[in-house]
Amino acid sequence: AQKITQTQPGMFVQEKEAVTLDCTYDTSDQSYGLFWYKQPSSGEMIFLIYQGSYDEQNATEGRYSLNFQKARKSANLVISASQLGDSAMYFCAMRDPYSSASKIIFGSGTRLSIRP
Amino acid sequence: NAGVTQTPKFQVLKTGQSMTLQCAQDMNHNSMYWYRQDPGMGLRLIYYSASEGTTDKGEVPNGYNVSRLNKREFSLRLESAAPSQTSVYFCASRDSRLYGYTFGSGTRLTVV
Repeated sequence: AQKITQTQPGMFVQEKEAVTLDCTYDTSDQSYGLFWYKQPSSGEMIFLIYQGSYDEQNATEGRYSLNFQKARKSANLVISASQLGDSAMYFCAMRDPYSSASKIIFGSGTRLSIRP
Repeated sequence: NAGVTQTPKFQVLKTGQSMTLQCAQDMNHNSMYWYRQDPGMGLRLIYYSASEGTTDKGEVPNGYNVSRLNKREFSLRLESAAPSQTSVYFCASRDSRLYGYTFGSGTRLTVV
């Protein structure tokens, strides 16, 4: 069975510093996809970044990058130059490509708080 | 605006009451999903539907039923609500892209 583990329940970071949110995953599949979502206090789920298991380069989207280490089964999110608006819950997730609907499973999340 | 619409946004039920959470998408997506999110936790999959007319159980289906009424709508029913079903419920749909999941804004349900 697939599993996502986020070991940091909460983090505090000074504004403008870079931050790394940890994510490890467990799967026996060769083909899969990894996501990061942001959930601000308002509650909506905001897609940040996606990495396919066969993508050779780490995904980047603006200030977000995904540090994909396939052998270690880790997919850490790096946020450069953090901003106050980055304070939120962050969820790592994995897509099951072999289910009929490619359902995704989520980790338990990391609450990131940015200090001014 | 195109997207996933959930109704209601808030609901309070008494134990034993029934209700249906509605979800509709106007993006012509085939796959739809229902998740629940408990305080301090990630989203857990309740049911999903790969296409119109098909539904499958997810990780936590007990106490729920679903209906994929047509391609647009995917409803979640609680037949006899229990306090353990107090949660925030999210509906999502997916397009053909590998990462193309769109979430609704959620329904906050409290069972007293």
